[in-house]
Amino acid sequence: DAKTTQPPSMDCAEGRAANLPCNHSTISGNEYVYWYRQIHSQGPQYIIHGLKNNETNEMASLIITEDRKSSTLILPHATLRDTAVYYCIVRVPKAAGNKLTFGGGTRVLVKP
Amino acid sequence: SQTIHQWPATLVQPVGSPLSLECTVEGTSNPNLYWYRQAAGRGLQLLFYSVGIGQISSEVPQNLSASRPQDRQFILSSKKLLLSDSGFYLCAWRSSWRAASTDTQYFGPGTRLTVL
Repeated sequence: DAKTTQPPSMDCAEGRAANLPCNHSTISGNEYVYWYRQIHSQGPQYIIHGLKNNETNEMASLIITEDRKSSTLILPHATLRDTAVYYCIVRVPKAAGNKLTFGGGTRVLVKP
Repeated sequence: SQTIHQWPATLVQPVGSPLSLECTVEGTSNPNLYWYRQAAGRGLQLLFYSVGIGQISSEVPQNLSASRPQDRQFILSSKKLLLSDSGFYLCAWRSSWRAASTDTQYFGPGTRLTVL
């Protein structure tokens, strides 16, 4: 799986949009971009994933650049409960073993 | 909807004692199941995965073993725990029939194991 680079931490004001960047310059054509988050002492929570088109669900939006070398996760209206470590992963779906490899992630602190 | 359970939530065990962690999934059939370990402040390490009953693949040689006695049950075991076995153990599942565009893994709440 391609490696990803994320800022180690960022702060966000409650009620504002949080834009979390991720670089994946070595992504290959069949790799998807996945985002998970992990709230302290809980299991990782799936947020969203996409291949090349922008995606939106009830939790967030995923914007993938045209060259697919970077992406941004957008939390439209951050709440205190969004404080967590956010992980960007690129992987081939349905690959043998299908393990997820989490890097350092971005520690997001939402402040009142 | 699908639900994944893990127990116990926390466990404190002495070195040399046995271990049994259980994971069950509801609301799906023939899932792929995974055991991960997350050491403090570290990323996830895949320990075992299973594509069906009795089928176990080991990713890393460990003091641990896994079994899948039923379709939606995955067990992580050890005969003698080591200090280095301490960590946050996560079970995950994915659907075996999903298309690539919808393929993803879902995690359980985890078991925090402390070996003293």
